[in-house]
Order: sequence, then structure tokens, then C-alpha cells
Amino acid sequence: AAGVIQSPRHLIKEKRETATLKCYPIPRHDTVYWYQQGPGQDPQFLISFYEKMQSDKGSIPDRFSAQQFSDYHSELNMSSLELGDSALYFCASSSGTGRTSGRAYGFEQFFGPGTRLTVL
Amino acid sequence: AQKITQTQPGMFVQEKEAVTLDCTYDTSDQSYGLFWYKQPSSGEMIFLIYQGSYDEQNATEGRYSLNFQKARKSANLVISASQLGDSAMYFCAMREGNRGNTPLVFGKGTRLSVIA
Repeated sequence: AAGVIQSPRHLIKEKRETATLKCYPIPRHDTVYWYQQGPGQDPQFLISFYEKMQSDKGSIPDRFSAQQFSDYHSELNMSSLELGDSALYFCASSSGTGRTSGRAYGFEQFFGPGTRLTVL
Repeated sequence: AQKITQTQPGMFVQEKEAVTLDCTYDTSDQSYGLFWYKQPSSGEMIFLIYQGSYDEQNATEGRYSLNFQKARKSANLVISASQLGDSAMYFCAMREGNRGNTPLVFGKGTRLSVIA
């Protein structure tokens, strides 16, 4: 089965540089989410898109922006990178009609493998 | 206040035995969903099991079952017949509200180590 694809898998940047992370959701999933997981931390929600429109906004810094394109892929743009931005960035996607093994599921979010960003 | 509380930072279990990972939650919504994810050392987040607030039966998925006690606001994960490959970080998470695509809020996680 197709999974969420993220690129790149690893990224090393210098302070004050910019970075763009890409996410390709599972086909026919209508919502894309971005999460940030710092070292030893739990994932924190950044932003989400439903049918290409911004849906919810979490603790996303003003230096970050995101969008979802017509082909449903999403990009997280990060500018003026700081040391504290070093983290694992996850993209997840979900469908409003999830169904597995004959039982209706509750829009479970499937995560991509993550992009590990290191800011030096 | 913490929405998801996992009180066990680390757990050890003998191979082939069962283990319960605790999770309590806090919400005033009637409609919500509870999730468990597994994060191995490689970093990916693997969906394990889901329980909806209106589900009357406890969710099960293979060796995973969710002990849902609504009145106590707990959603403990039970892993039966533990395997060495179960060693990982386990996160409990919740989404709130009727809209199914609200963001997840995670607990701090429990690191499970399975001993041979």
C-alpha cells in the first residue's frame, strides 16, 4: 500500500539559511498535517491543510510557512533557521472515509518517515 | 493541563509476556479519538490502534488491544506476547471534536524495552 512520502530524508543547513521540506500524502487522503519532534520530545503540531486550504494552525513560528498544491503535495518552508529548529519533521495524512477490516476508523493519521533537519 | 498523560517514562518486559502501557486523557468534548503510535529507534511513527469515544467495544489489532475506560478517561495499550521488535517508544495521542481531521495531541511517550 502507498505510504506518505517525504523528501529529503535528511537535511543539514547553517543558521539563517532556508529549507523546504516536501510531503506527498497517501492518494485520496484529503488532509495533510505537519508535526515537529525535537530530540527526546513528543511530536508537536505545526499546521494542517484540508483540500488544499489551511485547516488548523498550531505552534508554527512566523518564520515558517506551508502550502498544499493542486496535486495535494505539501511543502513546509522554513526561513532564518535557528539551532532550535533542529528536529524531525513529520508529514501525516488522513482520509475522511478511512475503513479497515470492515470497521470504520476515525480519520487515523498515517505518518511519513520524517525529515531530519540539522541546523549548524 | 496536560491533555495526554503517560506516567511511565520507561518499561521493561520479558519476551513472550504481556505488557500494559498507561495513558490517561483530559477533554471536555463528547466526541474524540484516541490513538497509539510506535516509534522505533529509526524514527518513523507507526500507527497501531484507534479507539473512538463512542465505540462500545475495546479496539483490537493483532497483538495490540486498547483497554478503554471512558469514565476513568484512560486508554491503556496492552501488548500481548511481547517480541524483541516491540522495543520502541510508544505514544498515546488524542484528537478532539466531531471533525475527524483535527490535529493530534501527543503524550510524552513510554519507552518499552523487551528483554530476551
